[in-house]
Amino acid sequence: DGGITQSPKYLFRKEGQNVTLSCEQNLNHDAMYWYRQDPGQGLRLIYYSQIVNDFQKGDIAEGYSVSREKKESFPLTVTSAQKNPTAFYLCASSFRGNYGYTFGSGTRLTVV
Amino acid sequence: AQRVTQPEKLLSVFKGAPVELKCNYSYSGSPELFWYVQYSRQRLQLLLRHISRESIKGFTADLNKGETSFHLKKPFAQEEDSAMYYCALSDPGGTSYGKLTFGQGTILTVHP
Repeated sequence: DGGITQSPKYLFRKEGQNVTLSCEQNLNHDAMYWYRQDPGQGLRLIYYSQIVNDFQKGDIAEGYSVSREKKESFPLTVTSAQKNPTAFYLCASSFRGNYGYTFGSGTRLTVV
Repeated sequence: AQRVTQPEKLLSVFKGAPVELKCNYSYSGSPELFWYVQYSRQRLQLLLRHISRESIKGFTADLNKGETSFHLKKPFAQEEDSAMYYCALSDPGGTSYGKLTFGQGTILTVHP
């Protein structure tokens, strides 16, 4: 497993807590993405970033926040405002303008 | 807004039979279309893209702009083709530069 690393693999959160999911890549990719994967709904884009210190909202950004302080890292925070956070979260990266994404192995978040 | 529709959540075929996974899209410009695949216990990965006009693992996909479709086909399915398949679309030059919109996914099962 090289290239893009997501941690932890499993995460449990109590209601009302914020949690941060880690995504790190050593591929020198410019762009990074966060998707949420739910059964029957496919992959939905949460946030994406084309360059350091810049990011854009995706289709379902409410209740989430991100930062891109380093090229290699794009952490996702699931806030208490996210009404249905239990899901499988996928991080991806690519060279800018190249849609051959490299995906991480994912983090499964469960709210207990 | 761009949209990708995969009408079949589940598709079952027998080994050696032809298989076609359907994908329809809505987009007003000239999109780039992709197929991604996720095998059991593996990461999501790019299978093929329409601009390459390539055949990967015996799969081909033709972009039909008139029908706004990008169906994935293989003449003789193999058991190792069993996986989740996602169709994806990107706008190569608009405001959504650099992000993919995925369909809901189709789980393909190839029976022996």
